[in-house]
Amino acid sequence: DSGVTQTPKHLITATGQRVTLRCSPRSGDLSVYWYQQSLDQGLQFLIQYYNGEERAKGNILERFSAQQFPDLHSELNLSSLELGDSALYFCASSVGLGDGYTFGSGTRLTVV
Amino acid sequence: GESVGLHLPTLSVQEGDNSIINCAYSNSASDYFIWYKQESGKGPQFIIDIRSNMDKRQGQRVTVLLNKTVKHLSLQIAATQPGDSAVYFCAEILGNTPLVFGKGTRLSVIA
Repeated sequence: DSGVTQTPKHLITATGQRVTLRCSPRSGDLSVYWYQQSLDQGLQFLIQYYNGEERAKGNILERFSAQQFPDLHSELNLSSLELGDSALYFCASSVGLGDGYTFGSGTRLTVV
Repeated sequence: GESVGLHLPTLSVQEGDNSIINCAYSNSASDYFIWYKQESGKGPQFIIDIRSNMDKRQGQRVTVLLNKTVKHLSLQIAATQPGDSAVYFCAEILGNTPLVFGKGTRLSVIA
């Protein structure tokens, strides 16, 4: 157990739907990162939060959004889902900025 | 288990042999590098890291070498075991920017 908790582990949904992925960072970590991993693209950075504030954005689609709450857990919202959004979504956390990350076990999203 | 990157380069080694996994990183200004191991169905797991002011760092059965001249990282695994079978990613950080991952290499250990 890495200390980073992601739920749900698996999610199957239809095109056009909206889902929310949840991440609880390791105790004491202030930074949360979201990554998408698909067969073709490897691990792609989506977005980062630090102590509740958005810190950096990567290749995140406008249909996707995220937030970090006062208790430091984070949610990634994916809307108007398309078949191509099927992927593994990983959350990672770190103590601060520029530190190594600890990853959760991921959420596998399947859009049908 | 889940497949991670069907089109990854693959390294096959005999159990007990040493493995060398290579990585070319992208940003010459990156100052921190990490190797991660990802087993099927799991998230990436930290193996070893190195700062840009070093050219070698050793851990338990693993060694990372950094060649900044050619922007090259390597991960050496001694006495490779079946449990080492996984996908290995190098990642780089510049300052406080998010981790950027390389494409990954699949290590297959032949018993």
